Amino acid sequence: EAGVTQFPSHSVIEKGQTVTLRCDPISGHDNLYWYRRVMGKEIKFLLHFVKESKQDESGMPNNRFLAERTGGTYSTLKVQPAELEDSGVYFCASSLQGVRKNYGYTFGSGTRLTVV
Amino acid sequence: AQSVTQLGSHVSVSEGALVLLRCNYSSSVPPYLFWYVQYPNQGLQLLLKYTSAATLVKGINGFEAEFKKSETSFHLTKPSAHMSDAAEYFCAVTRTGGSRLTFGEGTQLTVNP
Repeated sequence: EAGVTQFPSHSVIEKGQTVTLRCDPISGHDNLYWYRRVMGKEIKFLLHFVKESKQDESGMPNNRFLAERTGGTYSTLKVQPAELEDSGVYFCASSLQGVRKNYGYTFGSGTRLTVV
Repeated sequence: AQSVTQLGSHVSVSEGALVLLRCNYSSSVPPYLFWYVQYPNQGLQLLLKYTSAATLVKGINGFEAEFKKSETSFHLTKPSAHMSDAAEYFCAVTRTGGSRLTFGEGTQLTVNP
């Protein structure tokens, strides 16, 4: 099966510009997650979709970040306007939906965002 | 709340030596635990996971980890390091049902010839 796909793989933008990251999960995976790793620190949770609904967005740093998941398929993460501290690697992951069982998570290769 | 502590941000071993990467967790509920590896310029790859079955978990590439509830630990081991094992390793914890992962800060493993 195809894995989790993210693009672009790299993006360099100027402070104040807008960037949109995209994630295509594994087909049939209802759960979709966004994570971010900034400057060699730990990978931190941003938000969690179940199908098209935001299950948990407690990790979103501020209102410059907007995530959507159209029709419960792919997801986009928009940063507008970008700031220097937004630089980092943004990971997407997906998993099957389960209540009593954890099916595991498959990660994409990440998008490296550099804001200059 | 859950948390993960990885002891040692950098670990260096000789080729053929034992690899031991330490992970301690904190969780108010029975945890699900994971080890991921990130090779240079690649994404996160699952090495192994503990999901409340056997406490000794075997993963890919000869790695294994043992869940020790009394010590709240999930250390990753490999009997003999290969040069290809050089990468960054992440321990992560979650609850059941597809909840979000909480990661440790990662351990960079260097393998010396």
